Amino acid sequence: DTAVSQTPKYLVTQMGNDKSIKCEQNLGHDTMYWYKQDSKKFLKIMFSYNNKELIINETVPNRFSPKSPDKAHLNLHINSLELGDSAVYFCASSQDLQKNTEAFFGQGTRLTVV
Amino acid sequence: DAKTTQPPSMDCAEGRAANLPCNHSTISGNEYVYWYRQIHSQGPQYIIHGLKNNETNEMASLIITEDRKSSTLILPHATLRDTAVYYCIVGVLNDYKLSFGAGTTVTVRA
Repeated sequence: DTAVSQTPKYLVTQMGNDKSIKCEQNLGHDTMYWYKQDSKKFLKIMFSYNNKELIINETVPNRFSPKSPDKAHLNLHINSLELGDSAVYFCASSQDLQKNTEAFFGQGTRLTVV
Repeated sequence: DAKTTQPPSMDCAEGRAANLPCNHSTISGNEYVYWYRQIHSQGPQYIIHGLKNNETNEMASLIITEDRKSSTLILPHATLRDTAVYYCIVGVLNDYKLSFGAGTTVTVRA
């Protein structure tokens, strides 16, 4: 069973469109994250949620809106897509970091904006 | 804003130990050292972490200097499947984020 699963794996879309990436974890973790890996391969934190509450928002444009309907899901919705949004987006989860420090990552969603 | 310095790349021979250095001279007393790796086209994978004592698990060993300003990740018997980018990260348990740097690209050669 996949611990952290993201869908879709690949997403090609035109500028100006709105798209969503879904993430689910079946580990019973309290904390979930979204990371962006750009063409230079740097992994940067975008958002952290703990028990469905937003903990970290790293100066991400408000076109990006995470939504956590429950502890097992953290979806990423992106409005008015721009060329610069092209990247690989990784979802991750961990138990409350005060208890466990291992984070599990999904396989990534490669977003290409044309 | 990574707090660590790693060599950009290194090669090692299959079957030999791979020693990956990391400098973290500004580490705080409550910050842990974490190691993750990213195999091509996959998500990052946790390897090991430690505070001040040396640690070992089924994947690797972590050696932290007494002053905690540097550490070494040891892959005891490198295989071709260990080819990946290895990230050394410094952080606190309840920081709610991992700050990745550029990492070290490790290539294991037959």
